[in-house]
Amino acid sequence: GESVGLHLPTLSVQEGDNSIINCAYSNSASDYFIWYKQESGKGPQFIIDIRSNMDKRQGQRVTVLLNKTVKHLSLQIAATQPGDSAVYFCAEKGGTAGNKLTFGGGTRVLVKP
Amino acid sequence: NAGVMQNPRHLVRRRGQEARLRCSPMKGHSHVYWYRQLPEEGLKFMVYLQKENIIDESGMPKERFSAEFPKEGPSILRIQQVVRGDSAAYFCASSPRAQTDTQYFGPGTRLTVL
Repeated sequence: GESVGLHLPTLSVQEGDNSIINCAYSNSASDYFIWYKQESGKGPQFIIDIRSNMDKRQGQRVTVLLNKTVKHLSLQIAATQPGDSAVYFCAEKGGTAGNKLTFGGGTRVLVKP
Repeated sequence: NAGVMQNPRHLVRRRGQEARLRCSPMKGHSHVYWYRQLPEEGLKFMVYLQKENIIDESGMPKERFSAEFPKEGPSILRIQQVVRGDSAAYFCASSPRAQTDTQYFGPGTRLTVL
């Protein structure tokens, strides 16, 4: 079936450096993509989203890039801080999947001081 | 503006008992979604409801699981005759509309079946 997957299960990054988290998706009909951050014991927290008619969107210290040609999504975090340590999930919606979100398996980001 | 509320936060049940999980969506949101998360895994969709209607239950197990979102009150996810494999975190999300809106998640209910 359709799925969203991540390349790296764990990412260690030095405080102050930039982080890049990657995600591959297989449903070419998906038209909406979201990145969530989940801290231990908490629910997923919305970070940023992007629609399929865009290839880049920026927020505060975060940028999402969408490459529909290769069905790839990435999240860039600038000047990574200790508070960024968490598990990050990409999710997609649309097409035959309707309104439900399909989540990837997650990438754990560990920020080293 | 309060976020999505879920209770209880932690629930312990013995095998064969019933588990009832509650979700109050954000104010103004009429669409509710339930997801299940096993340890170290991503969230899996279970069911999507609007007020008094089940819109998509394609992720719900065929037996023992049911969900409702009544006209008044919270959405309820009910698990009858729980088994150890039901132990997981159950998250509720809500959105004001469906097609193009972000889903905002609650803190989850962590169910442990002894």
